[in-house]
Amino acid sequence: DSGVTQTPKHLITATGQRVTLRCSPRSGDLSVYWYQQSLDQGLQFLIHYYNGEERAKGNILERFSAQQFPDLHSELNLSSLELGDSALYFCASRPGLANSYNEQFFGPGTRLTVL
Amino acid sequence: AQSVSQHNHHVILSEAASLELGCNYSYGGTVNLFWYVQYPGQHLQLLLKYFSGDPLVKGIKGFEAEFIKSKFSFNLRKPSVQWSDTAEYFCAVNANFGNEKLTFGTGTRLTIIP
Repeated sequence: DSGVTQTPKHLITATGQRVTLRCSPRSGDLSVYWYQQSLDQGLQFLIHYYNGEERAKGNILERFSAQQFPDLHSELNLSSLELGDSALYFCASRPGLANSYNEQFFGPGTRLTVL
Repeated sequence: AQSVSQHNHHVILSEAASLELGCNYSYGGTVNLFWYVQYPGQHLQLLLKYFSGDPLVKGIKGFEAEFIKSKFSFNLRKPSVQWSDTAEYFCAVNANFGNEKLTFGTGTRLTIIP
């Protein structure tokens, strides 16, 4: 158990819908990262938040957005869902922003299936 | 931009065989290097990491990796694999400074035959 929690574990929805994935980082970790794991794209970085502020964006679609709240939990919002959005979505947390020899700790993931 | 190559997509070994999984990265600056393992149905777990110092890094479960800067490589090794090592293995890098996103390789699926 990494200490990072994600809900829900599984999500099945239809095309065109909107979903929200939730991540609670390890206690005290200020950085939250979101990654998408799909068969064709592999593990791809989506977005990074540090203490409530967006720090970096990766290959995140405009239909996707995220935020980090004052209690440091983060939500990833996916809208106008398409079949190709079906994937495993991981969040990871890390203690600080500066390079301090800390790795990212991954949550169990949310498996999204778009029908 | 960083990139990571894992040349072995699927490796099948018998128990007690030795393992070496290749990882090469491309990046112009100083990097941190990681190997993560994903057991079936589970999340990513860190096997080992390299930030600086001794280029031979020992991790959990008997795994080790060697950073060879001149070859831009960080190969994962284990002298004697077990059936429980069946999993997917990911090599990852991030920059020492600036954006800390992890860039992952495509992964190597390891199947151990009892």
